[in-house]
Amino acid sequence: DGGITQSPKYLFRKEGQNVTLSCEQNLNHDAMYWYRQDPGQGLRLIYYSQIVNDFQKGDIAEGYSVSREKKESFPLTVTSAQKNPTAFYLCASRTQETQYFGPGTRLLVL
Amino acid sequence: AQKVTQAQTEISVVEKEDVTLDCVYETRDTTYYLFWYKQPPSGELVFLIRRNSFDEQNEISGRYSWNFQKSTSSFNFTITASQVVDSAVYFCALSWYSSASKIIFGSGTRLSIRP
Repeated sequence: DGGITQSPKYLFRKEGQNVTLSCEQNLNHDAMYWYRQDPGQGLRLIYYSQIVNDFQKGDIAEGYSVSREKKESFPLTVTSAQKNPTAFYLCASRTQETQYFGPGTRLLVL
Repeated sequence: AQKVTQAQTEISVVEKEDVTLDCVYETRDTTYYLFWYKQPPSGELVFLIRRNSFDEQNEISGRYSWNFQKSTSSFNFTITASQVVDSAVYFCALSWYSSASKIIFGSGTRLSIRP
Protein backbone atom coordinates (compact mmCIF):
# COMPACT_ATOMS: atom_id res chain seq x y z
CA ASP A 1 0.00 0.00 0.00
CA GLY A 2 1.23 3.50 -0.80
CA GLY A 3 1.14 6.05 1.95
CA ILE A 4 2.78 7.91 4.78
CA THR A 5 3.64 6.20 8.03
CA GLN A 6 4.59 7.83 11.30
CA SER A 7 5.96 6.13 14.36
CA PRO A 8 5.49 5.79 17.18
CA LYS A 9 1.84 6.65 17.66
CA TYR A 10 2.55 7.86 21.20
CA LEU A 11 5.89 9.05 22.55
CA PHE A 12 6.89 10.08 26.03
CA ARG A 13 9.77 12.43 26.69
CA LYS A 14 11.61 13.01 29.93
CA GLU A 15 13.09 16.36 30.89
CA GLY A 16 16.31 17.11 29.04
CA GLN A 17 15.83 14.28 26.58
CA ASN A 18 15.95 14.44 22.80
CA VAL A 19 13.41 12.30 20.98
CA THR A 20 13.04 11.48 17.30
CA LEU A 21 9.77 11.07 15.43
CA SER A 22 9.82 8.95 12.31
CA CYS A 23 8.11 9.78 9.01
CA GLU A 24 8.35 7.52 5.98
CA GLN A 25 6.58 7.72 2.61
CA ASN A 26 6.56 5.37 -0.35
CA LEU A 27 4.70 7.74 -2.66
CA ASN A 28 7.88 8.96 -4.38
CA HIS A 29 7.09 12.54 -3.38
CA ASP A 30 9.95 15.03 -3.38
CA ALA A 31 8.62 17.44 -0.76
CA MET A 32 7.94 16.59 2.87
CA TYR A 33 6.70 18.66 5.82
CA TRP A 34 6.41 18.59 9.61
CA TYR A 35 3.59 20.31 11.47
CA ARG A 36 2.72 20.78 15.10
CA GLN A 37 -0.89 20.88 16.31
CA ASP A 38 -1.82 22.03 19.79
CA PRO A 39 -5.25 21.19 21.27
CA GLY A 40 -8.04 23.12 19.59
CA GLN A 41 -5.61 24.80 17.21
CA GLY A 42 -4.69 24.66 13.56
CA LEU A 43 -1.42 23.33 12.18
CA ARG A 44 1.85 25.22 12.34
CA LEU A 45 4.80 24.46 10.09
CA ILE A 46 8.02 23.33 11.78
CA TYR A 47 10.31 22.34 8.91
CA TYR A 48 9.99 21.37 5.28
CA SER A 49 12.15 19.77 2.65
CA GLN A 50 11.67 20.08 -1.09
CA ILE A 51 14.45 17.71 -2.06
CA VAL A 52 16.91 15.25 -0.56
CA ASN A 53 19.73 16.84 1.48
CA ASP A 54 17.91 20.17 1.67
CA PHE A 55 15.45 21.57 4.21
CA GLN A 56 14.16 24.93 5.43
CA LYS A 57 12.80 26.26 8.69
CA GLY A 58 9.11 26.86 9.00
CA ASP A 59 7.34 29.19 11.38
CA ILE A 60 8.22 27.44 14.66
CA ALA A 61 11.56 25.69 14.06
CA GLU A 62 13.21 26.59 17.38
CA GLY A 63 13.91 23.52 19.48
CA TYR A 64 13.53 21.11 16.55
CA SER A 65 15.89 19.60 14.00
CA VAL A 66 15.43 17.47 10.88
CA SER A 67 17.42 15.56 8.30
CA ARG A 68 16.62 14.43 4.78
CA GLU A 69 19.18 11.83 3.76
CA LYS A 70 16.72 9.73 1.79
CA LYS A 71 13.76 10.71 -0.36
CA GLU A 72 11.38 8.52 1.57
CA SER A 73 12.40 9.55 5.09
CA PHE A 74 12.14 12.86 6.99
CA PRO A 75 12.72 12.34 10.74
CA LEU A 76 12.06 15.11 13.24
CA THR A 77 14.06 15.46 16.45
CA VAL A 78 12.52 17.32 19.34
CA THR A 79 15.46 18.61 21.35
CA SER A 80 15.69 19.53 25.02
CA ALA A 81 15.64 23.17 23.89
CA GLN A 82 11.96 22.81 23.04
CA LYS A 83 10.43 23.77 26.36
CA ASN A 84 6.83 22.94 25.55
CA PRO A 85 6.92 19.88 23.29
CA THR A 86 3.58 18.35 24.26
CA ALA A 87 1.56 18.34 21.03
CA PHE A 88 0.34 16.27 18.10
CA TYR A 89 2.90 16.07 15.29
CA LEU A 90 1.87 15.51 11.70
CA CYS A 91 4.09 14.69 8.76
CA ALA A 92 3.03 15.32 5.17
CA SER A 93 4.33 14.84 1.66
CA ARG A 94 3.32 16.73 -1.43
CA THR A 95 2.43 16.08 -5.04
CA GLN A 96 0.79 18.43 -7.53
CA GLU A 97 0.30 21.22 -5.02
CA THR A 98 -1.52 18.97 -2.54
CA GLN A 99 -0.15 17.76 0.78
CA TYR A 100 -1.12 14.35 2.11
CA PHE A 101 -0.74 13.56 5.78
CA GLY A 102 0.38 10.68 7.93
CA PRO A 103 -1.53 9.44 11.00
CA GLY A 104 0.44 11.59 13.45
CA THR A 105 2.49 11.11 16.62
CA ARG A 106 1.30 12.36 19.98
CA LEU A 107 4.20 13.53 22.15
CA LEU A 108 3.78 13.80 25.90
CA VAL A 109 6.22 15.03 28.50
CA LEU A 110 6.69 12.99 31.69
CA ALA B 1 -0.56 39.08 4.43
CA GLN B 2 -1.73 35.55 3.78
CA LYS B 3 -4.47 34.42 6.11
CA VAL B 4 -7.30 31.91 6.44
CA THR B 5 -10.23 32.60 8.74
CA GLN B 6 -12.74 30.04 9.90
CA ALA B 7 -15.02 32.08 12.12
CA GLN B 8 -17.16 29.13 13.22
CA THR B 9 -15.33 27.40 16.05
CA GLU B 10 -17.98 24.74 16.65
CA ILE B 11 -21.18 23.70 14.91
CA SER B 12 -23.68 21.13 16.11
CA VAL B 13 -26.58 19.90 14.01
CA VAL B 14 -28.97 17.01 14.03
CA GLU B 15 -28.38 14.20 11.57
CA LYS B 16 -29.82 14.75 8.07
CA GLU B 17 -29.62 18.53 8.37
CA ASP B 18 -27.56 20.46 5.84
CA VAL B 19 -24.60 22.40 7.23
CA THR B 20 -22.24 24.97 5.73
CA LEU B 21 -18.72 25.63 6.97
CA ASP B 22 -17.37 29.06 6.16
CA CYS B 23 -13.86 29.94 5.03
CA VAL B 24 -12.53 33.39 4.19
CA TYR B 25 -9.01 33.89 2.90
CA GLU B 26 -6.57 36.74 2.26
CA THR B 27 -3.72 36.67 -0.23
CA ARG B 28 -1.87 39.15 -2.44
CA ASP B 29 -1.00 36.48 -5.01
CA THR B 30 -3.13 36.04 -8.11
CA THR B 31 -2.23 32.35 -8.33
CA TYR B 32 -3.18 30.37 -5.27
CA TYR B 33 -4.78 27.13 -4.12
CA LEU B 34 -7.49 26.50 -1.59
CA PHE B 35 -8.03 23.25 0.27
CA TRP B 36 -10.37 21.54 2.67
CA TYR B 37 -9.18 18.79 5.00
CA LYS B 38 -11.12 16.62 7.43
CA GLN B 39 -9.63 15.56 10.77
CA PRO B 40 -11.64 12.76 12.41
CA PRO B 41 -11.04 11.82 16.05
CA SER B 42 -8.20 9.51 15.00
CA GLY B 43 -6.18 12.63 14.16
CA GLU B 44 -5.08 12.02 10.59
CA LEU B 45 -5.84 14.85 8.17
CA VAL B 46 -7.80 13.63 5.17
CA PHE B 47 -7.60 15.64 1.95
CA LEU B 48 -11.03 16.52 0.57
CA ILE B 49 -10.55 19.04 -2.24
CA ARG B 50 -8.14 21.45 -3.92
CA ARG B 51 -9.23 24.46 -5.95
CA ASN B 52 -6.96 26.77 -7.92
CA SER B 53 -7.61 30.48 -8.19
CA PHE B 54 -8.49 30.32 -11.89
CA ASP B 55 -11.30 27.86 -11.44
CA GLU B 56 -14.37 29.33 -9.78
CA GLN B 57 -16.67 26.50 -10.73
CA ASN B 58 -18.50 25.02 -7.80
CA GLU B 59 -17.86 21.36 -7.17
CA ILE B 60 -20.07 18.59 -5.91
CA SER B 61 -18.91 15.21 -4.68
CA GLY B 62 -21.72 13.11 -3.30
CA ARG B 63 -23.11 14.90 -0.24
CA TYR B 64 -20.23 17.41 -0.26
CA SER B 65 -20.21 20.65 -2.24
CA TRP B 66 -17.89 23.64 -2.36
CA ASN B 67 -18.66 27.24 -3.28
CA PHE B 68 -15.64 29.30 -4.35
CA GLN B 69 -16.26 33.04 -4.76
CA LYS B 70 -13.27 35.26 -5.50
CA SER B 71 -15.40 38.40 -5.16
CA THR B 72 -15.85 37.71 -1.45
CA SER B 73 -12.61 35.71 -0.96
CA SER B 74 -14.60 32.78 0.32
CA PHE B 75 -14.44 29.03 -0.14
CA ASN B 76 -17.38 27.54 1.74
CA PHE B 77 -18.09 23.85 2.26
CA THR B 78 -21.59 22.39 2.50
CA ILE B 79 -22.54 18.92 3.68
CA THR B 80 -26.00 17.87 2.59
CA ALA B 81 -28.01 15.39 4.65
CA SER B 82 -25.32 15.20 7.32
CA GLN B 83 -24.43 11.89 8.96
CA VAL B 84 -22.83 11.04 12.30
CA VAL B 85 -19.68 9.95 10.42
CA ASP B 86 -19.25 13.54 9.25
CA SER B 87 -18.37 14.54 12.82
CA ALA B 88 -14.82 15.88 12.70
CA VAL B 89 -12.74 19.02 12.67
CA TYR B 90 -12.61 20.58 9.23
CA PHE B 91 -9.74 22.79 8.13
CA CYS B 92 -9.64 25.25 5.27
CA ALA B 93 -6.16 25.99 3.94
CA LEU B 94 -4.35 28.21 1.44
CA SER B 95 -1.14 27.98 -0.52
CA TRP B 96 0.12 30.50 -3.04
CA TYR B 97 2.43 30.40 -6.02
CA SER B 98 5.43 32.01 -4.33
CA SER B 99 5.14 30.01 -1.11
CA ALA B 100 7.25 26.98 -2.11
CA SER B 101 4.05 25.03 -1.66
CA LYS B 102 3.76 25.79 2.01
CA ILE B 103 0.21 25.74 3.26
CA ILE B 104 -1.35 27.88 5.95
CA PHE B 105 -4.34 26.51 7.79
CA GLY B 106 -7.35 28.10 9.37
CA SER B 107 -8.03 27.30 13.00
CA GLY B 108 -10.62 24.70 12.10
CA THR B 109 -14.35 24.16 12.67
CA ARG B 110 -15.43 21.33 14.94
CA LEU B 111 -18.57 19.77 13.47
CA SER B 112 -20.75 17.54 15.64
CA ILE B 113 -23.61 15.61 14.10
CA ARG B 114 -26.15 14.44 16.67
CA PRO B 115 -28.16 11.29 15.96
